[in-house]
Amino acid sequence: QVQLQQSGPGLVKPSQTLSLTCAISGDSVSSNSAAWNWIRQSPSRGLEWLGRTYYRSKWYNDYAVSVKSRITINPDTSKNQFSLQLNSVTPEDTAVYYCAREIVAGPESGYNWFDPWGQGTLVTVSS
Amino acid sequence: QSVLTQPPSASGTPGQRVTISCSGSSSNIGSNTVNWYQQLPGTAPKLLIYSNNQRPSGVPDRFSGSKSGTSASLAISGLQSEDEADYYCAAWDDSLKGWVFGGGTKLTVL
Repeated sequence: QVQLQQSGPGLVKPSQTLSLTCAISGDSVSSNSAAWNWIRQSPSRGLEWLGRTYYRSKWYNDYAVSVKSRITINPDTSKNQFSLQLNSVTPEDTAVYYCAREIVAGPESGYNWFDPWGQGTLVTVSS
Repeated sequence: QSVLTQPPSASGTPGQRVTISCSGSSSNIGSNTVNWYQQLPGTAPKLLIYSNNQRPSGVPDRFSGSKSGTSASLAISGLQSEDEADYYCAAWDDSLKGWVFGGGTKLTVL
């Protein structure tokens, strides 16, 4: 059974960097049949996909246009985990952040789905 | 505003059948499969339906999904109090090159 365990601070100051980690058990961050995603949820924006990292002979990243200039998602194969860094945060980045495994079911992303999700981390951006 | 459109609320009495709609476009639902997630209060979303109409192991057959053109639906039959939750549809968007979600539907069991 795959489990994702999130960790990281719940309070970040404006203009600083939000950093979260998602530890994987029961699967590998280097799996060829999965991708590793970050998604956030807020009352104003609902569920918002932020980006993903995945390994297909080499590492790839895809990022949402809305955060592309500020986001980095990195795998850590030594610890079997992946991380999220979001730079220059503002109060609008206040949200519950989730990591999620994307199961690859076909040749295109359109065949895939998220399962499971991490427990969520409420991150508040405030001075 | 979410890319996929869902009604903000739905309700039914125990035993009833309710449906929740999800409307998109040719770049998301029209060309890719739809997944549904259930979010119980205070918890993370959980996979409910994948690939338009497939149920993961452990999900009761009271839950079913369908897709036609650029719209999808989630049906819940034999409604139970434990079904009270928020429900979200999701699909990959080929134009945005990313995942998009519906705004969520809050289901109330009266």
